[in-house]
Amino acid sequence: AQSVTQPDIHITVSEGASLELRCNYSYGATPYLFWYVQSPGQGLQLLLKYFSGDTLVQGIKGFEAEFKRSQSSFNLRKPSVHWSDAAEYFCAVAGFENFNKFYFGSGTKLNVKP
Amino acid sequence: KAGVTQTPRYLIKTRGQQVTLSCSPISGHRSVSWYQQTPGQGLQFLFEYFSETQRNKGNFPGRFSGRQFSNSRSEMNVSTLELGDSALYLCASSSRDSSSTDTQYFGPGTRLTVL
Repeated sequence: AQSVTQPDIHITVSEGASLELRCNYSYGATPYLFWYVQSPGQGLQLLLKYFSGDTLVQGIKGFEAEFKRSQSSFNLRKPSVHWSDAAEYFCAVAGFENFNKFYFGSGTKLNVKP
Repeated sequence: KAGVTQTPRYLIKTRGQQVTLSCSPISGHRSVSWYQQTPGQGLQFLFEYFSETQRNKGNFPGRFSGRQFSNSRSEMNVSTLELGDSALYLCASSSRDSSSTDTQYFGPGTRLTVL
């Protein structure tokens, strides 16, 4: 069965510091992976996605993620965090039986210290 | 292009009532999926519609139902509301059917509170 694990529930970083949010997936084939961001009371905004090809994918707002098949991971990174990045981040994998059925991790809440 | 829109944005109902939520997908998108988001259970898939047909259903009771119209707009209905139905209901649209993957674009959600 497909599943996504985000081990970190809360993370606090200082503004200007680098960020890495962890995501591990369980999937029987080549996964289709996504990172979304959610601000309080808002919907989900797509940051980036991995379908195939280059394992390092670039997204919006300066985010990138690296797909590592050997580690079943798709970690999200940003070299320098801005206060406006404070939000909740969700990793997701598209279902094998239905590509429009996404399995989400439990989310990581990011706090940014001034 | 306009994004996914959901109406209403906020809703307050009492136990036992029923509610209908609406979702208009991105123009040209024919797949609409619904998700329930709660603090305890996170984001859970409710169902997906493509070309007016339900393609997949999540593990929710029959009180949760939906439909899709010929213009791809979708509605979901929850009957006999329970306190536990309080949640943010998110709608997502995609240009592809479930046999090939594409990005799902999410709306702002409808916040349902059941008293």
